[in-house]
Amino acid sequence: GAVVSQHPSWVICKSGTSVKIECRSLDFQATTMFWYRQFPKQSLMLMATSNEGSKATYEQGVEKDKFLINHASLTLSTLTVTSAHPEDSSFYICSATPPARYGYTFGSGTRLTVV
Amino acid sequence: DAKTTQPNSMESNEEEPVHLPCNHSTISGTDYIHWYRQLPSQGPEYVIHGLTSNVNNRMASLAIAEDRKSSTLILHRATLRDAAVYYCILRASDNYGQNFVFGPGTRLSVLP
Repeated sequence: GAVVSQHPSWVICKSGTSVKIECRSLDFQATTMFWYRQFPKQSLMLMATSNEGSKATYEQGVEKDKFLINHASLTLSTLTVTSAHPEDSSFYICSATPPARYGYTFGSGTRLTVV
Repeated sequence: DAKTTQPNSMESNEEEPVHLPCNHSTISGTDYIHWYRQLPSQGPEYVIHGLTSNVNNRMASLAIAEDRKSSTLILHRATLRDAAVYYCILRASDNYGQNFVFGPGTRLSVLP
């Protein structure tokens, strides 16, 4: 149990286009989900906190107009990278907390390559 | 959340035990010690967590120092599939719902 599904697992897009990444909690409800970004050989860095039914909270330095987050239901959060550029190429990971647990369940990640 | 310190990298031979240390000298009384690992090109996965007592599960054991200022993740028999980055993270029990803060972790290499 406590599975977080992330889709797609990889995507290649052209510079200037937008890409949507989905994060679903399959067997539990998640009022809060987290989006991380990870560059090669680096650790995970929190980008934003996604809250169901309200606006996301972005970390300092993360452009909210570029990384659109929608958490429209208790099981789905989406991250849209708008007008993607090569420097947005990264590994994006979402996570959520199953109820009654102290830990987090992470998605398998999405490798975004902007060409 | 308090900070942790881990070695950047460690090596182990296959089928031998591995002890991954973590220092957390500023740990508070309500901080749980969590260990996650991240295999190449995957999201982190839960390994183990504990508060004061040593913990065992099918993946690993967690040995917590009596003063809780350090802990050690023990993989009893390393396999090639255990090659990953291991993260030691502290989380206050009343910070439920807040994000994890990841440090650089320890990159474990397992040699055949």
